[in-house]
Amino acid sequence: QQPVQSPQAVILREGEDAVINCSSSKALYSVHWYRQKHGEAPVFLMILLKGGEQKGHDKISASFNEKKQQSSLYLTASQLSYSGTYFCGTETTGKLIFGQGTTLQVKP
Amino acid sequence: DTGVSQNPRHKITKRGQNVTFRCDPISEHNRLYWYRQTLGQGPEFLTYFQNEAQLEKSRLLSDRFSAERPKGSFSTLEIQRTEQGDSAMYLCASSLLSYNEQFFGPGTRLTVL
Repeated sequence: QQPVQSPQAVILREGEDAVINCSSSKALYSVHWYRQKHGEAPVFLMILLKGGEQKGHDKISASFNEKKQQSSLYLTASQLSYSGTYFCGTETTGKLIFGQGTTLQVKP
Repeated sequence: DTGVSQNPRHKITKRGQNVTFRCDPISEHNRLYWYRQTLGQGPEFLTYFQNEAQLEKSRLLSDRFSAERPKGSFSTLEIQRTEQGDSAMYLCASSLLSYNEQFFGPGTRLTVL
């Protein structure tokens, strides 16, 4: 029941784009995206609700395909500050189940 | 600071000892969650509260783990008879409602020797 994220790791140069995918075998009510830097707590990025539209702020956006039970996180024109581990969390019965994470490294 | 706070930040204990962690959520948040995270893994759900009611506890959670949230404010997580496998970062998060963003505290790092 843990969502599956792909890829497991990404290495980018500044300014390049990346897509992180999250898929679940269970019906979803919402998908949360978080970023965690080494030694720090996860920080909320955005939430996509069932029936909602694609969301985004700045150069980070996400989509949620309810029928396919999938979500994707899009990072455009990546910055050094985007480095970290990205987790999707799928919410079904009020609790979040997190994926295993995607490690993103942005190099100058 | 009006964020989620956790105490202590670090705890080193010997196998077999009991430990208790505290979480103070954002004051108006009704929901409080406990997670456990080990190196290289995503946060693993342990339990959550709606106000003072514990709504769900992970089936993976041993009976040695117990959590309370008296009066719907702060919460405590107790681990009895600690084992080396309990070594992890214990994270607390709070949210206003379901399907809302969760705000995480800095975590308590437990090391069991």
